[in-house]
Amino acid sequence: EVQLVESGGGLVQPGESLRLSCAASGLTFSAAWMGWVRQAPGKGLEWVASIKEDGSEEYYGDSVRGRFTVSRDNAKNSVYLHTDSLRAEDTAVYYCARDAGHFSYDVWGQGTMVTVSS
Amino acid sequence: QSALTQPPSASGSPGQSVTISCTGTSSNVGGYDYVSWYQQHPGKAPKLIIYYVNKRPSGVPDRFSGSKSGNTASLTVSGLQAEDEAVYYCASFGGNSIFGGGTKLTVL
Repeated sequence: EVQLVESGGGLVQPGESLRLSCAASGLTFSAAWMGWVRQAPGKGLEWVASIKEDGSEEYYGDSVRGRFTVSRDNAKNSVYLHTDSLRAEDTAVYYCARDAGHFSYDVWGQGTMVTVSS
Repeated sequence: QSALTQPPSASGSPGQSVTISCTGTSSNVGGYDYVSWYQQHPGKAPKLIIYYVNKRPSGVPDRFSGSKSGNTASLTVSGLQAEDEAVYYCASFGGNSIFGGGTKLTVL
């Protein structure tokens, strides 16, 4: 069974950092672009970041560029999102997803909730 | 970068057809044949139902179809069923990836 499982979410204060993890199973992870998409409570989907199969290319949405970093460890079938300088507006469910090609996310995790509040 | 423009809501009766539009620019929707559509039920992760404008992943009913004209893409749901009630998002590749704001589809 193809599966993505996120972890690492929680409640943090503004300005703090958090590292989200996503463990993949049942797919050829090293051959897959991976992405992070978030959804604020009651709001729509927002693309956050994408990383190439070998980790050599990274792309970020305007609202997180310079604060978030996406990385991956193909030996561990895992992708990560390091979030720095968190703001209240970063509060959201963060999903990792496999990009089957040109922003076609065909496998999604269940999401991990990040709450930024003092 | 602004989100792609979708109507906030759409509705139809069981058995009817409904079309949801998604308007972008020549830098995203109009410039590439890389439009995808996602279905999201409450409390669930999104599900890919259309990719590359009009391709359906395995297991997605052929009641769902996609098209594009210029800077506007469309999702048509034919033969509406109760389980089609959900929020639908379009997305486009184009430099940076971008989603639409979502359309709540109600089956009357």
